[in-house]
Amino acid sequence: DAGVTQSPTHLIKTRGQHVTLRCSPISGHKSVSWYQQVLGQGPQFIFQYYEKEERGRGNFPDRFSARQFPNYSSELNVNALLLGDSALYLCASSLFSTTDGYTFGSGTRLTVV
Amino acid sequence: AQSVTQPDIHITVSEGASLELRCNYSYGATPYLFWYVQSPGQGLQLLLKYFSGDTLVQGIKGFEAEFKRSQSSFNLRKPSVHWSDAAEYFCAVGVVTGGGNKLTFGTGTQLKVEL
Repeated sequence: DAGVTQSPTHLIKTRGQHVTLRCSPISGHKSVSWYQQVLGQGPQFIFQYYEKEERGRGNFPDRFSARQFPNYSSELNVNALLLGDSALYLCASSLFSTTDGYTFGSGTRLTVV
Repeated sequence: AQSVTQPDIHITVSEGASLELRCNYSYGATPYLFWYVQSPGQGLQLLLKYFSGDTLVQGIKGFEAEFKRSQSSFNLRKPSVHWSDAAEYFCAVGVVTGGGNKLTFGTGTQLKVEL
């Protein structure tokens, strides 16, 4: 079975631009979460979606948004990019309950110049 | 609010030596606890998890962790480290909020293995 897949793996953007990151969860997983990992730190929670509804939001500005599609894949959008948005963006999928744990993708490395 | 502390930023051990990585959490209810490992430029791989029951949890790659409620700790151990264990290790607490859930991570411990 395929794991959590994220695309693209790397990208470089200019300050002020917009970016869209994509995630496909493990088959059967209905929950997708997004995390931001700045170099040298642990991942920080951005969003959780379940059955196309937002179920949680971390302490991130409104420039960050996400959605989940009927096939449970998800997009993370970031507008008006800042240098500080440079990070590894991780997607995790799970069955809804935390008792199942989370499976992470390999991430998208975003560099803002 | 929940939090996770990993007191050791870097640890160096010799191959074949035992390993213990420390993790302390703060959370008002019964925690869900996880250890993940991350190789350079990669995502996170789940080593083990604790939800309830036996406080000694066995994971993959020969790792184990012990939940100690009285100490709010969930330390990761391995009896004999292999060079391939060199990586960054993250402890996390899972929180179920109204309608959703999330992980709160520590800042990580970088493990170096000397041959």
